[in-house]
Amino acid sequence: DTGVSQDPRHKITKRGQNVTFRCDPISEHNRLYWYRQTLGQGPEFLTYFQNEAQLEKSRLLSDRFSAERPKGSFSTLEIQRTEQGDSAMYLCASSLTGEDTQYFGPGTRLTVL
Amino acid sequence: AQSVTQLGSHVSVSEGALVLLRCNYSSSVPPYLFWYVQYPNQGLQLLLKYTTGATLVKGINGFEAEFKKSETSFHLTKPSAHMSDAAEYFCAVSERGNKLVFGAGTILRVKS
Repeated sequence: DTGVSQDPRHKITKRGQNVTFRCDPISEHNRLYWYRQTLGQGPEFLTYFQNEAQLEKSRLLSDRFSAERPKGSFSTLEIQRTEQGDSAMYLCASSLTGEDTQYFGPGTRLTVL
Repeated sequence: AQSVTQLGSHVSVSEGALVLLRCNYSSSVPPYLFWYVQYPNQGLQLLLKYTTGATLVKGINGFEAEFKKSETSFHLTKPSAHMSDAAEYFCAVSERGNKLVFGAGTILRVKS
């Protein structure tokens, strides 16, 4: 069990550029969650998958955001036309259906200049 | 809708003193409650959780929390603070193990 991994750990981009983050969950976990954490705040839910199906999306997830989990394993989160307000830590977590504990990755810190 | 309020964005204690971090929640269904700890530039690590059963739950690193339904509270305590406890602590609630709703966090400072 290598834990949840996220790549990259840090991303600096210019406003208007597109960025993509990757999350690899714990291998047997079928649920995968994305959260966003801004400075001084707790993480906020963005979306989650059960296997490859995206079951819930937050209203925080604007049309510029898209998440996929094509084979029910790793997931990607893409932000198009980034804005300075997108600067945040993006956290991924995974769990097993029927179990209540989510295990978090180290996060990807995005800075939009 | 569920929500969490953490009283005190910053708490400072002396090494060896009692740690008390406050958490109140709102939930329309029986809640699952969690405390996570976050060290700088790291993800969140689960300290402890309450789902059902015993209302006093013990976690890692000597922390414990008590679920009090009548007070809608889930305060985190540790009898004796250690320098290594300095971190940010988040209380969270979920509905039967689904998405987590977090409080704003409490930064714990431990003075030597």
